[in-house]
Amino acid sequence: GENVGLHLPTLSVQEGDNSIINCAYSNSASDYFIWYKQESGKGPQFIIDIRSNMDKRQGQRVTVLLNKTVKHLSLQIAATQPGDSAVYFCAENGSSNTGKLIFGQGTTLQVKP
Amino acid sequence: SAVISQKPSRDICQRGTSLTIQCQVDSQVTMMFWYRQQPGQSLTLIATANQGSEATYESGFVIDKFPISRPNLTFSTLTVSNMSPEDSSIYLCSVAGSVHEQYFGPGTRLTVT
Repeated sequence: GENVGLHLPTLSVQEGDNSIINCAYSNSASDYFIWYKQESGKGPQFIIDIRSNMDKRQGQRVTVLLNKTVKHLSLQIAATQPGDSAVYFCAENGSSNTGKLIFGQGTTLQVKP
Repeated sequence: SAVISQKPSRDICQRGTSLTIQCQVDSQVTMMFWYRQQPGQSLTLIATANQGSEATYESGFVIDKFPISRPNLTFSTLTVSNMSPEDSSIYLCSVAGSVHEQYFGPGTRLTVT
């Protein structure tokens, strides 16, 4: 079946360092990928997305990299801040074009002051 | 992005009872979705709430257990019926701004005792 998974359940980084959160996906038909941030007690918040015809996309302090050859997605956060502490999920649209998303298992990012 | 609210924000219910969760959006949207997030886990799609027609359920979810209404383009309800402790989760609604972009409500935290 379709599966989107993450390599590490918890990532601990020092404030100011860069963070890299990884995600593996299994559906090669997916053409759209999203990273969400979920803070405690809140719903997931859209961070950045990327389409399959791109291999890199940059936002404010965040960069998403897509490697379709190995079906790997990563989120890089520059100069990590305490406010970045949250659970991060990757999601893919799978083989459908119905708006449905398949979520990975999530990585908890802990930022140490 | 749309502003999404959910009611109630949290509830504690007894087994065997039912709870109806409301999702309100500040603009008209075509696609609305309901997700479940079990404690410490990722999001799983329950169903797509279609305006003017029956909801479309994912594998493992049935209408008798999770009836959904979608009376208009700004509102939907999800009912969790005949609850058991295994239904203790966060229930989230989301809306699609485009086919792929999704925005989430704050969630309803349900505890079944």
